[in-house]
Amino acid sequence: NAGVTQTPKFRVLKTGQSMTLLCAQDMNHEYMYWYRQDPGMGLRLIHYSVGEGTTAKGEVPDGYNVSRLKKQNFLLGLESAAPSQTSVYFCASSSITDRYGYTFGSGTRLTVV
Amino acid sequence: GIQVEQSPPDLILQEGANSTLRCNFSDSVNNLQWFHQNPWGQLINLFYIPSGTKQNGRLSATTVATERYSLLYISSSQTTDSGVYFCAVLDTGRRALTFGSGTRLQVQP
Repeated sequence: NAGVTQTPKFRVLKTGQSMTLLCAQDMNHEYMYWYRQDPGMGLRLIHYSVGEGTTAKGEVPDGYNVSRLKKQNFLLGLESAAPSQTSVYFCASSSITDRYGYTFGSGTRLTVV
Repeated sequence: GIQVEQSPPDLILQEGANSTLRCNFSDSVNNLQWFHQNPWGQLINLFYIPSGTKQNGRLSATTVATERYSLLYISSSQTTDSGVYFCAVLDTGRRALTFGSGTRLQVQP
């Protein structure tokens, strides 16, 4: 099925470890986003990309890095995980011609111990 | 950036009841959306409604852009309506949606 795929779905990290979350979309969308969701706080934008090779900071970018080397992929990296990064991470994509057509992935539940 | 506030934060209904969820935003917008997050965490777009009124089955939404608020109506609620409802508006500076903190709805049989 067409859509946004996130891997992995679950992960437990120890403080200080690094990892990369992968987001892949097959809808040829130009825009891609990474959000984190914490209890009672809704979704907050971490980083976003408006096209291949471009990235920009969102509301809560500290501690994260991103890359978009290919149009269909958007990677979110944690270089040195901290317990404050325990959260559910959502990737989304949208098209220039259909800006309200956000498609979300199913989320990655990350626990940092 | 733009601020989005939702109320109430929590709502418990009996099956068959009606409800109204509110979203206030701090600046003029040309892109407002309502999402439903089901109990399994999946986010589904319900409405794109920068102004006016739209209806989809038992759900309808109204946005009064000049007064900076939007309402989501759920009629004859069902247990499958349970979950969290988010309002989101486009932050044109970041070209990304800014979300409210959500209304958690629980519909009891």
